[in-house]
This record gives sequence, structure tokens and C-alpha cells, in this order.
Amino acid sequence: ETGVTQTPRHLVMGMTNKKSLKCEQHLGHNAMYWYKQSAKKPLELMFVYNFKEQTENNSVPSRFSPECPNSSHLFLHLHTLQPEDSALYLCASSQAGTFNNEQFFGPGTRLTVL
Amino acid sequence: GQQVMQIPQYQHVQEGEDFTTYCNSSTTLSNIQWYKQRPGGHPVFLIQLVKSGEVKKQKRLTFQFGEAKKNSSLHITATQTTDVGTYFCAGTNAGNMLTFGGGTRLMVKP
Repeated sequence: ETGVTQTPRHLVMGMTNKKSLKCEQHLGHNAMYWYKQSAKKPLELMFVYNFKEQTENNSVPSRFSPECPNSSHLFLHLHTLQPEDSALYLCASSQAGTFNNEQFFGPGTRLTVL
Repeated sequence: GQQVMQIPQYQHVQEGEDFTTYCNSSTTLSNIQWYKQRPGGHPVFLIQLVKSGEVKKQKRLTFQFGEAKKNSSLHITATQTTDVGTYFCAGTNAGNMLTFGGGTRLMVKP
């Protein structure tokens, strides 16, 4: 286990649904990340949180809304998604600002939008 | 912004053949990291290189960091079916942001 958990592991939703993805890290890290992984873009960075503050938002559509209530938890709220949003959503954490900034990934949520 | 490119995108090899993936950054890096993602899995950290010209080995895997700290390579000697997966490089820039390359997907025929 990598110390980063994600729920749910699989999610099927309609375009009008609202759902949330959850990520929790047990590694004491201070930075958390959301990535989208699809055949078109293998690892696409979506959001970065350092010390609970959002520091990166890579032109992600507003139908994706992140939330970081504390340094251990990260959410991705989804609403009115499109079929092209179907992908694997990976959460990662790291100790930002240090020499060893390797990222630890969770198992991902496989999202299918109908 | 910083860009990290990887080639090739895909590689088929016969078991026992060698394999190399190359990583190039548009900017000088403070470190380069390599990750492996098995089919159906998630990226897992393999190694970090920091010094110019650094070479590190992990069994059949050899990692190199270029003299200019803008490129890197991963070489696997005598591939095995367990080596199957996608190999990502990731470079850290001066702003401490880690940027992933597009990955090289390795397929090994037994």
C-alpha cells in the first residue's frame, strides 16, 4: 500500500449527476494533487494544493471543483460532466519544498460518464 | 511553461532484448524522477537522480541524468515479462514543480 487511498474505485454517472471523489493520505505530506489519466493524455495535472492552498489550476473546466479541507484529505466534486471526462482520476501526495519530492499515488477512481 | 518529452511513446520487444526510453526537458532540472505504472495500476516511484551525469542502477535497470541536467534515460537489460508497463519520467524545475513526461509504454513478447 502506498499510504494514499481513493474512493470510490469505480464510478458510473450520468451527465446530470453530482458526485464526489475522495482522497486521503496517511503519509504526513503537505501537498496533494489531482491528475486525469486517459489514452489521449497519460498524466494530466489538474489541481495542486500546498498546505491546503490551491496553487495550480491547469485550465480545468469548472464542472470539476476541488476541495482540500485539511492536509490529509482532498476531494474532487463533479457536476454536469461530459462523456469525454471518462478517465482514471489519480490522487497523489508529496512533501513539497523538500529535496525528496517524489509523489505517492493512490489507486485511482475509474470514472465513466454516460 | 516547462515541458518534458519522452520517446518512444510505445515499444514492443522480445523477451530478453534490451529497452531504452529517453526523456528531454525544455528547461534545466534540479532532479529527475522515474515512475513505473503496471497495467491496471498506478504510477509507483522508482528512483530520483540529482547530480549532473549521475548514473544509478537497480538490478537490470540503469538510469542516467545528462550532463546539462536536461535529459535522462532509463535502460532495461534483458527485458522480462514483469517489466511490462508504462515508464514515466518527471522533472523538477527551479520552482519545485514536478512535471511528468508522456510516458513510454513497454510491451514484452514472451
